[in-house]
Amino acid sequence: DIQMTQSPSSLSASVGDRVTITCRASQSIGRYLNWYQQKPGKAPKLLIYAASSLQSGVPSRFSGSGSGTDFTLTISSLQPEDFATYYCQQSYNTPESFGQGTKLEIK
Amino acid sequence: QVQLQESGPGLVKPSETLSLTCTVSGGSISSYFWSWIRQPPGKGLEWIGYIYYNGSTNYNPSLKSRVTMSLATSRNQFSLKLTSVTAADTAVYYCAREGPYGDKLDYWGQGTLVTVSS
Repeated sequence: DIQMTQSPSSLSASVGDRVTITCRASQSIGRYLNWYQQKPGKAPKLLIYAASSLQSGVPSRFSGSGSGTDFTLTISSLQPEDFATYYCQQSYNTPESFGQGTKLEIK
Repeated sequence: QVQLQESGPGLVKPSETLSLTCTVSGGSISSYFWSWIRQPPGKGLEWIGYIYYNGSTNYNPSLKSRVTMSLATSRNQFSLKLTSVTAADTAVYYCAREGPYGDKLDYWGQGTLVTVSS
């Protein structure tokens, strides 16, 4: 099975900051990497698919990059509604797997 | 706009079977992959498996011996059964649609909490 490791596990930042979250796969997954945002009590929401493609309706301040084993999610200028938990997910093969999550909190 | 809604008992006794149904509206179930994901309270996401519109399935090996997924195409529904549950199966269960290539979970239900307790 492919293990996904995110860093950091938690992060404090301020509105307007640029933030980067990293996800590493235990083996190469090409660009089969997705990013989700989850707010308390809500279902995850797809932000980025195929490593760098922005899902329809997602603000352009979100971007993704990477391939192989190392990936990043960047939020260019944090907005109040961005404080949430973020998960990466590999869909290269089954069982599909998620990172442990990165909780983004207000500083 | 595709919408998914989970339904089923919120409380299941240990050793019994958890049964959930996901109803899809705004689109046909007769295409795409249809997935179940769960999240124990305060923890991360675990992929349970998916069923393809043709009925073929793919389950997480960690749960494979206890999981069955099925389709009810005429009702635009798909279902999850998990047998021999324990407290470790207590979680919010989400149904979701995987994109046409089984590569992204693009629509999710709101989730339903299932508690395993006597």
